[in-house]
Amino acid sequence: QVQLVQSGVEVKKPGASVKVSCKASGYTFSNYGISWVRQAPGQGLEWMGWISAYNGNTIYAQNFQGRVAMTTDTSTNTAYMELRSLRSDDTAVFYCAGGGVAGLFGYWGQGTLVTVSS
Amino acid sequence: DIQMTQSPSTLSASVGDRVTITCRASQSISTWLAWYQQKPGKAPKLLIYKASNLESGVPSRFSGSGSGTEFTLTISSLQPDDFATYYCQQYNNYSPLTFGGGTKVEIK
Repeated sequence: QVQLVQSGVEVKKPGASVKVSCKASGYTFSNYGISWVRQAPGQGLEWMGWISAYNGNTIYAQNFQGRVAMTTDTSTNTAYMELRSLRSDDTAVFYCAGGGVAGLFGYWGQGTLVTVSS
Repeated sequence: DIQMTQSPSTLSASVGDRVTITCRASQSISTWLAWYQQKPGKAPKLLIYKASNLESGVPSRFSGSGSGTEFTLTISSLQPDDFATYYCQQYNNYSPLTFGGGTKVEIK
């Protein structure tokens, strides 16, 4: 079965960077793209961007342009999301998500809590 | 950006009630609309795709309808497991993908 398994909790200081991983299994990694979604405490879902696991093409949401970088490692079937210049309002759970239809999220990782605090 | 507006933001209902949640898009998205259920501390779960198609394994008490800019999610007979937050999401285009603000279904 399809599984997306994310890396663990992170605590960072303002201005630092964080890199979250998402390891895929149960399907051919290059067949699906991976999106990243942010959820601040008690808030809704915010799409951050998407990366093609086939060719590495990316689409980033305007809110994160210049601060986010999404990459993949096809040798380990892993997607990465790096967010730079962290602020306290970046404190959130970050999810990776994907599926067989572009933009539709049939599969989700378990989420990674990133806390930004001095 | 396509704005997605859900109503109500909170809904109080009892087991067995028929529940309807509305989602409006700021411009036409045809039927490129999905519904997700999220429970506290868990990732969202896909319920409905392409406005009215039930994801495999999702109980038939869930249904979706609509096209263009107006969509609804209906739970025909609310069960204890259904108390959760529900989100709509448009996937008409990636500029950007957007979610509604969520509807929390609470026990009355």
